[in-house]
Amino acid sequence: GIQVEQSPPDLILQEGANSTLRCNFSDSVNNLQWFHQNPWGQLINLFYIPSGTKQNGRLSATTVATERYSLLYISSSQTTDSGVYFCAGYGGSQGNLIFGKGTKLSVKP
Amino acid sequence: NAGVMQNPRHLVRRRGQEARLRCSPMKGHSHVYWYRQLPEEGLKFMVYLQKENIIDESGMPKERFSAEFPKEGPSILRIQQVVRGDSAAYFCASSPSGASGYTFGSGTRLTVV
Repeated sequence: GIQVEQSPPDLILQEGANSTLRCNFSDSVNNLQWFHQNPWGQLINLFYIPSGTKQNGRLSATTVATERYSLLYISSSQTTDSGVYFCAGYGGSQGNLIFGKGTKLSVKP
Repeated sequence: NAGVMQNPRHLVRRRGQEARLRCSPMKGHSHVYWYRQLPEEGLKFMVYLQKENIIDESGMPKERFSAEFPKEGPSILRIQQVVRGDSAAYFCASSPSGASGYTFGSGTRLTVV
């Protein structure tokens, strides 16, 4: 079936630490995207990354489509990085995003 | 570019009333999507629309829920005869085409009392 699985479900970091979040997706999911939902509920599109690697400041993402996974790297974490990180991919009909359950990140000062 | 605009941000309705949620896509985006997020859960797809057309409504509950994206004006998600289980955050997103990056609005948080 169509699946998007994220790990770990929860992550607690000390400010300044690095982390890697993982997203595994099934064969029928493609065109991966990463989102950050901040503590106020706002959803921010971090990366649209069907394949390859992209970087934006302290964040970078890599998708290996042939092996059905994507990684989100956060370096030198800050308290403002706290929130829930979702990966999502298109499954079924065009435009229908399937979301993982998210990784809840808490960065402590 | 004002981004995806949703209103209201918060909406309180009594059981049995109607809720109307509005979404104006980003300028130049003709594809609109609605998602629902229950507390402590990820987002679930509801419906995908283009101007005057429903492309995919496979995630919409069969009763009480409807969506439209008219030629002029915002997209509307309508929930009739709301029940407590409809309490959730409803997000709208838009994209320039059906297989590209989304931009989400800030959401409407519906509380049914």
